Amino acid sequence: AQSVTQPDIHITVSEGASLELRCNYSYGATPYLFWYVQSPGQGLQLLLKYFSGDTLVQGIKGFEAEFKRSQSSFNLRKPSVHWSDAAEYFCAVSRSQGNLIFGKGTKLSVKP
Amino acid sequence: EAGVTQFPSHSVIEKGQTVTLRCDPISGHDNLYWYRRVMGKEIKFLLHFVKESKQDESGMPNNRFLAERTGGTYSTLKVQPAELEDSGVYFCASSQDPGGRSPLHFGNGTRLTVT
Repeated sequence: AQSVTQPDIHITVSEGASLELRCNYSYGATPYLFWYVQSPGQGLQLLLKYFSGDTLVQGIKGFEAEFKRSQSSFNLRKPSVHWSDAAEYFCAVSRSQGNLIFGKGTKLSVKP
Repeated sequence: EAGVTQFPSHSVIEKGQTVTLRCDPISGHDNLYWYRRVMGKEIKFLLHFVKESKQDESGMPNNRFLAERTGGTYSTLKVQPAELEDSGVYFCASSQDPGGRSPLHFGNGTRLTVT
């Protein structure tokens, strides 16, 4: 069955520290991969996406993610976290119809 | 460009009552999706419209849920009668392209509480 696993429910990092959020997927073929972010009271905003080609993709707000086929992973990274990055982050894969399968999300807290 | 708009933003109803959620997609987006997040769980797909037609409604939990998209513009999702387990956040999303490569644009969601 197709699924997305985000093993970390809640992560706390200090402002200025680096960040890596983990995502593993189970899918029959190479899926389309996405990271979305939800800030409090807001909808889901697309951070970045991977379809094919270069396995390191750049997104908005200084985020990047690396697709690793051998590990079925698509981890999200940021070199220096800002307080405004506190939010909930969702990894998702897309089926051909465009429907998304989401992970359970990782809530990020940022310490001053 | 206006984004996806959902209302109400919050709704509190009693078990057995009816609630109707509305979604206005981005203008020109033929594809409209409904998702739901029950507390502590994943965001789960409910259904997908292409214009006014239901392309995929495999995620609809049961026949207490009715989605419509008359005229291929806005969509409504009615829950009748509501049960406690229907509580959660209901998201609407739209996209231009039905294929998997097209990112979905999400609304802010409707938080439904059934008491």
